Amino acid sequence: EVQLVESGGGLVQPGRSLRLSCAASGVTFDAYAMHWVRQVAGKGLEWVSGINWNSGKIDYADSVKGRFTISRDNAKNSLYLQMNSLRAEDTALYYCVKADCGSNSCNFDLWGQGTLVTVSS
Amino acid sequence: QTVVTQEPSLTVSPGGTVTLTCGSSTGAVTSGHYANWFQQKPGQAPRALIYSTSYKHSWTPARFSASLLGGKGALTLSGVQPEDEADYYCLLYYRDAWVFGGGTKLTVL
Repeated sequence: EVQLVESGGGLVQPGRSLRLSCAASGVTFDAYAMHWVRQVAGKGLEWVSGINWNSGKIDYADSVKGRFTISRDNAKNSLYLQMNSLRAEDTALYYCVKADCGSNSCNFDLWGQGTLVTVSS
Repeated sequence: QTVVTQEPSLTVSPGGTVTLTCGSSTGAVTSGHYANWFQQKPGQAPRALIYSTSYKHSWTPARFSASLLGGKGALTLSGVQPEDEADYYCLLYYRDAWVFGGGTKLTVL
């Protein structure tokens, strides 16, 4: 079955760290870019970070730059998001998303079900 | 800071046609923004509908189409069904970042 499964969410105090993981199955993981997208309850979607197939291009939203680090392990078919210096405004459901991008197209075609991060004292 | 703008809400009658738009604070939306459109129903993860401005996925119903219209990305639903009631989001590419629109809540009434 083709799927992405996120894990690692939970309750964390402000200023602390958390590491999210995303396990891919049924896809040729090392052929695709991967992204993290988050959603505050009842609000819209926010792109957080993306990484290309070989980790050669990594991008971040301004809201997380310098605090979050995206990485991947193609041998383990896994994507990660290291989140440091967490703030209350980072509280959200975090989705792992696969993106099939070529020279003239980009297709965010597969989403996980999300893992919930709550930052609170 | 780049802002992507969508109608906050739209209402359409069953069987009707509605167009949702996706604008950019930096100017006209072009093919280079690789516009993606997603549908999200309550309690569910977003589902991809359209990529790279106008390409459909194999699972995208034929009543959904997308294009560039008047300098914006546009998603058109023709022959709207009750199950199309959902939130719709566009996503645009800006060289080193992607930005979502605020979403459009589509009501079928």
